[in-house]
Amino acid sequence: GAGVSQSPRYKVAKRGQDVALRCDPISGHVSLFWYQQALGQGPEFLTYFQNEAQLDKSGLPSDRFFAERPEGSVSTLKIQRTQQEDSAVYLCASSLAHRGTDTQYFGPGTRLTVL
Amino acid sequence: DQQVKQNSPSLSVQEGRISILNCDYTNSMFDYFLWYKKYPAEGPTFLISISSIKDKNEDGRFTVFLNKSAKHLSLHIVPSQPGDSAVYFCAASASSSGTYKYIFGTGTRLKVLA
Repeated sequence: GAGVSQSPRYKVAKRGQDVALRCDPISGHVSLFWYQQALGQGPEFLTYFQNEAQLDKSGLPSDRFFAERPEGSVSTLKIQRTQQEDSAVYLCASSLAHRGTDTQYFGPGTRLTVL
Repeated sequence: DQQVKQNSPSLSVQEGRISILNCDYTNSMFDYFLWYKKYPAEGPTFLISISSIKDKNEDGRFTVFLNKSAKHLSLHIVPSQPGDSAVYFCAASASSSGTYKYIFGTGTRLKVLA
C-alpha cells in the first residue's frame, strides 16, 4: 500500500516568505507527527495530532510555526516569515492508533532552504 | 540536553562481519526503543523495536539488545551487507506516559565494505 507522502519534496524560500508543507499519511492512520531534522542531527519532534485534534505542540520553535489537520487526514505545516534558521528537512510520520508502542512510519521529507 | 546519544558518528565494517551500533539514554521514563535506517533523500525506515520489559528482540539479521540498568541499547547486524550502508538512528519514547513523540539520537553512519 501507499506510504506517507509529502509535498513539495524541495522548497526554496526567500527570508520573510510564508511556506506551507503538506503531508498525506497512510490511509486510516489516526496519529500524525511532524519532526524537523537539521543537517547532521536526528529528527526533532514538533507536533502531534490524534485525528484532527492537536494534542501536543510543545516542539514548535516559535509562534511562526502552525500545523493543522482539519479533517483528520491530510496535514499542513505552515511557517510564517521564514528565517534562515528554519532551513531543515521537515518529516511527517503517521501511526495506526494512539498507543505509545505504535510504530511511526515516515515520509520522504520536505527539504526547506531559506535564502 | 541530549537524552538519546549515539557517540559514534561513523562505523566501517567488512561485508559478512557483524556491525554493532550503540545508543545511550538518560531518561528513565523511556520504555520503548526503536532503530531506524535512513538513506540519502529518503525518510527514516523502521527497522526494529524493543519494549523495556524485554532485553532482546530479533528480526532476521537484526537484533536489538537493551540493558536497562546501564541505559544502553545496541543494534547488531549479522552478517552485514553492502546494502546496509546508511545512517542509523536510535529513538526512544516514554510510551506509558501518554507522550508519543520519539526522541532521536544524532545517528551513526554505517559503511559496509565489499
